[in-house]
Amino acid sequence: DIVMTQTPLSSPVTLGQPASISCRSSQSLVHSDGNTYLSWLQQRPGQPPRLLIYKISNRFSGVPDRFSGSGAGTDFTLKISRVEAEDVGVYYCMQATQFPHTFGPGTKVDIK
Amino acid sequence: EAQLVASGGGLVQPGGSLRLSCVASGFTFSPYWMHWVRQAPGKGLMWVSLIRNDGITTTYADSVKGRFTISRDNAKNTLYLQMTSLRAEDTAVYYCARDWYHAIDLWGQGTMVTVSS
Repeated sequence: DIVMTQTPLSSPVTLGQPASISCRSSQSLVHSDGNTYLSWLQQRPGQPPRLLIYKISNRFSGVPDRFSGSGAGTDFTLKISRVEAEDVGVYYCMQATQFPHTFGPGTKVDIK
Repeated sequence: EAQLVASGGGLVQPGGSLRLSCVASGFTFSPYWMHWVRQAPGKGLMWVSLIRNDGITTTYADSVKGRFTISRDNAKNTLYLQMTSLRAEDTAVYYCARDWYHAIDLWGQGTMVTVSS
């Protein structure tokens, strides 16, 4: 199975300041079709997860442009340019290149 | 509005069985691959199973293989998860979710399964 790791696991951030989360996979996430199926999800307290970013860097419909994704191969990053109060929650990376799909352990973002 | 509503969770004894259902509305269900993902209390997300739109091709996490069965009824816009030989470690919120180009773009609210004597 592909193991996903995330750093940091906790990120206290000042409102209006940037935040960055790193995600690494134990093997390349490049699929045989040439795509890299790495996505980012946000889970607010008491809510189901919500898709933010798909295929490394594509922002999903309705996601604010302060969220951006980057990376390649085994190293990926989610950035929030200016954290807002509504961004509090846990962020997960997920790989869907190979079965079983696997998630990172989650990074908790809260306000200092 | 596209929506997934899961039901069927509850308290079950170890070794027992439970069938979860997930009704889709607000979108055409039949073309989509569908997932079950679970989350143990206070823990992270764990992928459980996927079924393709054909209703035949299925995949499972090793920890549930042979005990859980995913199925769908496209005429009823419904996804199922039949769970047998349940263990304490299966205790979790179970989410049904829609696959969208190898990402998960739509999640239900989840249904809680508690395995305990």
